[in-house]
Amino acid sequence: EVQLVESGGGLVQPGRSLRLSCAASGFTFDDYAMHWVRQAPGKGLEWVSGISWNSDSIGYADSVKGRFTISRDNAKNSLYLQMNSLRAEDTALYYCAKDSGSGWTYFQHWGQGTLVTVSS
Amino acid sequence: SYVLTQPPSVSVAPGKTARITCGGNNIGSQSVHWYQQKPGQAPVLVIYYDSGRPSGIPERFSGSSSGNTATLTISRVEAGDEADYYCQVWGSSSDHPPFGTGTKVTVL
Repeated sequence: EVQLVESGGGLVQPGRSLRLSCAASGFTFDDYAMHWVRQAPGKGLEWVSGISWNSDSIGYADSVKGRFTISRDNAKNSLYLQMNSLRAEDTALYYCAKDSGSGWTYFQHWGQGTLVTVSS
Repeated sequence: SYVLTQPPSVSVAPGKTARITCGGNNIGSQSVHWYQQKPGQAPVLVIYYDSGRPSGIPERFSGSSSGNTATLTISRVEAGDEADYYCQVWGSSSDHPPFGTGTKVTVL
């Protein structure tokens, strides 16, 4: 059974940093691309970033480009999101999502999310 | 950027058919995926590549796409189908996989 468990969320002041982690199990992690998708309170889904199976291909939403960095450690079956210069508008539930393939196709499985609140 | 437009809400009586549209420029030439999100839960994939159905998703869920509109159809609607539904496209013309605006399905 595919399991994706996010961690690292919390309350952080504007301008500070936070690092999210996603622990994956139940599948061959380095066969699949992975993504972060977020959802602000009461709002819709927004893709944040994606990374191919071997980290060769990485993409970011315009809203986070230059501030967020996605990475993965295939040896540890883990996905990360380093978030710098956080803003109030980054407040959201952040989901880790497994792609259906090694590239970018669709979000086949989702974790339960970790909440990030940016507030002074 | 590519914009996907969905109706904010759809209401349907139990046992009837719900149709949720997703409008986008020439969306029929793209691959469309659909997600169901129940309150307080993570999204779940219900349709992939326009009309594919993941294992565990009831046959009552089906999808189609043509021209500027993709459609998710839920037949014989049940109370448990009440949720938000999002379409998603990742076409070759974009590096970003936009989601639709979302549709809240209410079962009367």
